[in-house]
Amino acid sequence: AQKITQTQPGMFVQEKEAVTLDCTYDTSDQSYGLFWYKQPSSGEMIFLIYQGSYDEQNATEGRYSLNFQKARKSANLVISASQLGDSAMYFCAMRENLQGAQKLVFGQGTRLTINP
Amino acid sequence: GAVVSQHPSRVICKSGTSVKIECRSLDFQATTMFWYRQFPKQSLMLMATSNEGSKATYEQGVEKDKFLINHASLTLSTLTVTSAHPEDSSFYICSARDQARQSWEAFFGQGTRLTVV
Repeated sequence: AQKITQTQPGMFVQEKEAVTLDCTYDTSDQSYGLFWYKQPSSGEMIFLIYQGSYDEQNATEGRYSLNFQKARKSANLVISASQLGDSAMYFCAMRENLQGAQKLVFGQGTRLTINP
Repeated sequence: GAVVSQHPSRVICKSGTSVKIECRSLDFQATTMFWYRQFPKQSLMLMATSNEGSKATYEQGVEKDKFLINHASLTLSTLTVTSAHPEDSSFYICSARDQARQSWEAFFGQGTRLTVV
């Protein structure tokens, strides 16, 4: 069963607008964490933001914020004031503890295109 | 921030040959490193967990004899694709976490684009 689901294969947004990238997850663990990574065409994985399951406040990092709704098992990424350089693939990932190792499970990704 | 360096960034090899990819943590020690594979337009799939000083743990469906992992030191893990075939062509990327930090962030290498001809 898919543990991380990103339902938007592609998103097109005008420059300077805000954009929300969706992510839902499935886990029976009480302790887990959710990440968002950006992957430009060069292939590198750039860490954007992290939300722990016990964190009471939504995580924020500059223009990035994570809309964490635990009961709905969603962890959407909000990018404010989008820029042309934000065009990239975005992956949501969940940290899970399997046999003592902390592993990351990734969603399918969303390709974000910022139009001038 | 912590840096993970992966080498080479691109490699083209002939079918039947072996290719070694290195993953180094430059400013921290990593007892555990992770190797992922990413096919075009797809997500990252975990291949194996590399453990310093012991055997790697492979994910279901990943051939341990084909993808040899060695984690001989606290800063270096290597992935060797043995007897490579065109279907092994993919983007391979490693990651590690600085366990000394109070952070769950996983740092990734730059990735290696392997083309088998």
